[in-house]
Amino acid sequence: DAGVIQSPRHEVTEMGQEVTLRCKPISGHNSLFWYRQTMMRGLELLIYFNNNVPIDDSGMPEDRFSAKMPNASFSTLKIQPSEPRDSAVYFCASSLVPQEETQYFGPGTRLLVL
Amino acid sequence: AQKVTQAQTEISVVEKEDVTLDCVYETRDTTYYLFWYKQPPSGELVFLIRRNSFDEQNEISGRYSWNFQKSTSSFNFTITASQVVDSAVYFCALSGNDYKLSFGAGTTVTVRA
Repeated sequence: DAGVIQSPRHEVTEMGQEVTLRCKPISGHNSLFWYRQTMMRGLELLIYFNNNVPIDDSGMPEDRFSAKMPNASFSTLKIQPSEPRDSAVYFCASSLVPQEETQYFGPGTRLLVL
Repeated sequence: AQKVTQAQTEISVVEKEDVTLDCVYETRDTTYYLFWYKQPPSGELVFLIRRNSFDEQNEISGRYSWNFQKSTSSFNFTITASQVVDSAVYFCALSGNDYKLSFGAGTTVTVRA
C-alpha cells in the first residue's frame, strides 16, 4: 500500500512568492496533520484535520499560512507571501483515529525561501 | 500538557556496540500512547513502535528492544549490535487524550564502522 505522498519534495522560492505544498494521506485514514521541522523548534504541529474538517489550527504561525482539505485524499498547505524564516521541512502525516492510532508521515517537503 | 525529554543529544558508538536511548515523559492523562520514530539522513520519519499506557510489556523486534516503565515514566529504546545503517535521529513521542503528538528533541545516533 502506498504511504503518505507529499509533493514537491524540494522547493526553492524567493521571498514574497506563494508556496503550495501538497499531501495525499493513506487511503482510509480520516485524520491528517501538517508539521514543520526546524533546527530551532524541532517538530511542531501546524494544523490537524479530522474527516476533512480543520479541528485545530492553533499551531499555524500567522495569517500567511493556510491549509485546506477539499476531500479525503488531498490537502494543501499554502504560504503567501513566503519569508526566509519559513524555510523548514514540512511533513504531512495521517492516521486512522487521532488519539489511538499511529501517525504515519510522508517524506516531507524541504522548503528554502531565499 | 505533555512533555517528552530526550536528555541525550548525540550518541556515537562503534559498530556492534549496543546503544540505549533514554526517553522520559510527563502527562496527566491516564491513557496515553508512546512512540518511537527514526529519521535517517534521507529525512523521512519512520514509525518504529507504539505502546499504550496499559501495556508495560517490553518488546523486542530483531535488534531493537523497548523498555517501558510506568513507575519512572520512561520508555527507553535499545539497539543491540548496532550497524552503520542505524545512524539516524531517533524521536520519542507521546499522545494523550487529545490528538496531539508531542515529540522529544531527538537523539542523534552515529554508528562508526
